[in-house]
Order: sequence, then structure tokens, then C-alpha cells
Amino acid sequence: GQQVMQIPQYQHVQEGEDFTTYCNSSTTLSNIQWYKQRPGGHPVFLIQLVKSGEVKKQKRLTFQFGEAKKNSSLHITATQTTDVGTYFCAGRGAGGTSYGKLTFGQGTILTVHP
Amino acid sequence: EAQVTQNPRYLITVTGKKLTVTCSQNMNHEYMSWYRQDPGLGLRQIYYSMNVEVTDKGDVPEGYKVSRKEKRNFPLILESPSPNQTSLYFCASSYLGRQGKTMNTEAFFGQGTRLTVV
Repeated sequence: GQQVMQIPQYQHVQEGEDFTTYCNSSTTLSNIQWYKQRPGGHPVFLIQLVKSGEVKKQKRLTFQFGEAKKNSSLHITATQTTDVGTYFCAGRGAGGTSYGKLTFGQGTILTVHP
Repeated sequence: EAQVTQNPRYLITVTGKKLTVTCSQNMNHEYMSWYRQDPGLGLRQIYYSMNVEVTDKGDVPEGYKVSRKEKRNFPLILESPSPNQTSLYFCASSYLGRQGKTMNTEAFFGQGTRLTVV
């Protein structure tokens, strides 16, 4: 079945350092989504990428979708303490038995030290 | 206001006592899903549903049941809860999208249900 792997599981950075989390799917995806979960909260949608090779930016966050539509990354430039939380990628299945299914990666827990 | 409502938020129960966690969405979404979240394991999918009367097993379905009799509701049923089902549960809903068409299929999450089985 469809599997989505995400690394690293944990990342500790000093405020101002950059941060990247990577996501890899076992199957081709129709889209990839990114979510942020603050401590004690629920996952909140950040962005959706649909096209092969797509790159989107939200202020200090840069999201990429791989050419084969199987991998993705989230890069945060100059982290701030407000970036603390768990970042999840989620892949939407493209076809076959995985069509429409939204599978989450394990998440990357980001800690930012002031 | 667009929202996914889960109830209860917190529940402590005893082993073997049947329970239901309700989930309701007001956005006319086709897709609904249940996840459990455990430390170090991320969000694992229990069951999902593409539409009314259509449900499929996720990655960890054992010990759970679901039903989708109406589009807005997707209850999670634990017929005989056990301590290893102690977890944080999330319900989510989204549009399914259409093949060949770009549309936002963002998942909206409920606030979560923290379940403890003793």
C-alpha cells in the first residue's frame, strides 16, 4: 500500500538557523500537502503542491514537489521560536487502490532554541 | 464557520466497554478519515471514507469500526477497547478532488479526542 516516509524525526536548531524536512512516497502522488501541528493542537494545513517540480514560497518557508511526484521538501530559512511544532507531509494517492487516500508522514518535530 | 467537530474531547474508559467517538463536518466533504497519534509514530490512518457507504481500512484498523451513513458524519466505534488503544484521535475531512483538475483538497481536522483505556 501507499507509504509516506518523512525524515528527520527530530530537529533541534538555534534560532536563526535553517531547517529542512524531507518526504518520500512509495507511489506517485496526485498532490502533496504540508501541515503544521503546534504542541497541544491539531494539524493545520500549510500548502498543497500539485505539479511536477513545483516550488512554492510562503515568507520564510519554501516547499518543493519532486519531478516524479514522489518526494517533497519543506525548507524554513532563519527559524524563529514561533516555528516550533511538528511538520507533516501528506500525500494524496494518484490512482489504483490508493486513489484519493491521504497518507501522512511520521512528522518532524522542530525545536528552536532562542 | 467551516469546521470538523469531534466529541468527546477527553474520555477515560475501562477495558471492554464499547464506546463511540463522533465526528461531524459542515463542508459537504466527500472524504473523511480517522487517525491516531502516538509519540514517535506520527499520524496513522485507521479508516477512511470516500463517500457515503464507502469505507476502507487504513494502516491500523484492528479493533476499530466506522460507518458512513450520512455525508457529514463519520463515527469511530471501539467495540471492546483495550489499553493499547489509549491514544490521541483525530478526525479529518476534505474534498476528494477530480482527476485532471486542480482543486484544493486540504484536510480539516477536528480538535482531537484524548482516549485513555484502563
